[in-house]
Amino acid sequence: QSALTQPRSVSGSPGQSVTISCTGTSSDVGGYDYVSWYQQHPGKAPKLMIYDVSKRPSGVPGRFSGSKSGNTASLTISGLQAEDEADYYCCSYAGKYTVVFGGGTRLTVL
Amino acid sequence: EVQLVDSGGGLIQPGGSLRLSCAASGFMIGSNYLSWVRQAPGKGLEWVSFFYSGDITYYADSVKGRFTISRDNSKNTLYLQMNSLRAEDTAVYYCARSYGIGGVVYYFDNWGQGTLVTVSS
Repeated sequence: QSALTQPRSVSGSPGQSVTISCTGTSSDVGGYDYVSWYQQHPGKAPKLMIYDVSKRPSGVPGRFSGSKSGNTASLTISGLQAEDEADYYCCSYAGKYTVVFGGGTRLTVL
Repeated sequence: EVQLVDSGGGLIQPGGSLRLSCAASGFMIGSNYLSWVRQAPGKGLEWVSFFYSGDITYYADSVKGRFTISRDNSKNTLYLQMNSLRAEDTAVYYCARSYGIGGVVYYFDNWGQGTLVTVSS
């Protein structure tokens, strides 16, 4: 159950777009369309932002989108806003009734 | 409104035991997947366990044989019994309502506020 690989940090200016990658293997990200993304502000619980690779829960702004190619999933945030500054985690079903998270990416809005 | 309230954390010596609780409201836990996810201080999220329908449970290798997930449908509450605790179990523990089918967890759509467990002498 090795963690999925995410960049430790990304940054962007307000209004810009940023993309966070999440790389796994054919046993997790590449093998299933069950990738989800979570936003976590300091001291708060995680919040679901994307599920099933590219679906947005009700209430999540359309600026957040997800995609997948091979063993790598991506979260794109367009039109960056100050409140988007947070940690972001990807997650995937990993077979044999287990789940694996990414190491997390700190997004800084400049 | 769906709400999960985590409790039971605290300071415990290595080798000790602790039971965490997660009180749910706004939905019936008996008809949902429920999970525990933890986060060590300054670290990322780690899936710990989930409760499938009936009495089927699954665990991460790091806690298998030491932790037990259970639930009381009459109290609408999820539990995590943690035995033989180690320093590396120090973390904030979150319960999370999960969506899944056939034992496959797709995502975690509602989270508790978390409860801190510190394992130290």
